[in-house]
Formats: sequence, structure tokens, C-alpha cells
Amino acid sequence: QVQLVESGGGVVQPGRSLRLSCAASGFTFSRFGMHWVRQAPGKGLEWVAVVGDDGSARVYADSVKGRFTVSRDNSKNTVWLQMDSLANEDTAVYYCARELSHGNWLFDYWGQGTLVTVSS
Amino acid sequence: EIVMTQSPATLSVSPGERATLSCRASQSVSSDLAWYQQRPGQAPRLLIYGASTRATGIPARFSGSGSGTEFTLTISSLQSEDFAIYYCQQYHNRPPVTFGQGTRLEIK
Repeated sequence: QVQLVESGGGVVQPGRSLRLSCAASGFTFSRFGMHWVRQAPGKGLEWVAVVGDDGSARVYADSVKGRFTVSRDNSKNTVWLQMDSLANEDTAVYYCARELSHGNWLFDYWGQGTLVTVSS
Repeated sequence: EIVMTQSPATLSVSPGERATLSCRASQSVSSDLAWYQQRPGQAPRLLIYGASTRATGIPARFSGSGSGTEFTLTISSLQSEDFAIYYCQQYHNRPPVTFGQGTRLEIK
């Protein structure tokens, strides 16, 4: 069965960095684009970034562009989100999610999420 | 960026009754509209895509309709596990894909 397991969340000071990981299993990882979606406490969903199936295409929300970097390693079935220059408003649960099918940007499987708290 | 607006913010319905949730897009998204369910403490779950296609394993009591800018999610006979928050998402114009602010479906 498809599984996505995020890790790497925690408490970090403003301006510092954090790297999230998402380990995938149960499907042919290299055939799917992978996304990060976040949810601030008590708030709705915000799309953050996508990395294409071969890792060459990377697109970001304006709110994180220039600060976050998404990457993947298909040999390890893992996608990462490197978050730099973190700000209070980046506090959220971060989910990795799989595209339903190639390039359609809707999400049929989600991880359980990892909480990132940015606070001094 | 397309803005998605859901109504009502909170809907109170009794178990066994029908629930109707609405989603409006600020411009046409054709049929590129998905619905997700999020139970407390859980990740979102895909219910509907293409405005009206149920995702794998989703019960038939969930149905979606609409196109262009107006969409509806209907749950025909509410079960206890259906009380949750529901989000619509457009994937027509991207980046970014955008979500509505959610409708909380609560027990009356």
C-alpha cells in the first residue's frame, strides 16, 4: 500500500533552517510528481512546492520562493524540503503528497504531516 | 491566483440527513475541481476530482457536481465518520493550486 512518511519537523528560531524528509513506499516513486502542502494551526491548506517525477521541474509558491528548495532522489524514494530563512508565518504542519497522475496537481495520497514551529 | 470561496463556513446537519456544501471560484476552472475531507488530527483525503469523479474507495453517498465557477459536494445520508472539514481545490490554473478556506460539517 502507498505510504508517505514525513520527518524532520521541530522547533526552530526565526532565520534558521530546517530540512524535511518524506519517505515513500508502495508505488513506483519515479513516476509521480511530489508536492508539499502546509497547514498553519487551525487554518486551511496552502500549496508550497512541487518536484517533477525526474526531479528536473521544481515550482514554488510565491510565499516560499527563494527560501525553500524541494528535491528528490528516486533511488532512495525520498523527497526533501529544505527550508531556509524561516519566519514565524512558516509555522505549520507540512504534508508531502503524491499527484493522482502525471502533472495534474491534485493529491491522492498524503503523509501524516510533520509540525514545524518557528519561534524565538 | 484563483480564489476559492466555500460556503457555509459551518454546516450543522443531523446523521442520516443530506449535506450540501458549496465552492465558488473567482474565475472559471472548467471541471478541474477536487474535494478533500479532513478529520481532526488527520491528513486530508481525496474524495472527488474532475468535479464529479469519486476517488478510489470513496462511498457512493459522496457526489460532486458543477463546472466553471460553481461547484457542490453532496453527502446523501450522513454517517458519524463524515463529520469533518471539507476543502475544495482548483488545479486548473497553476501555479499555484489553491484551496477554499474549508467548510466544517458538524453534528446537529
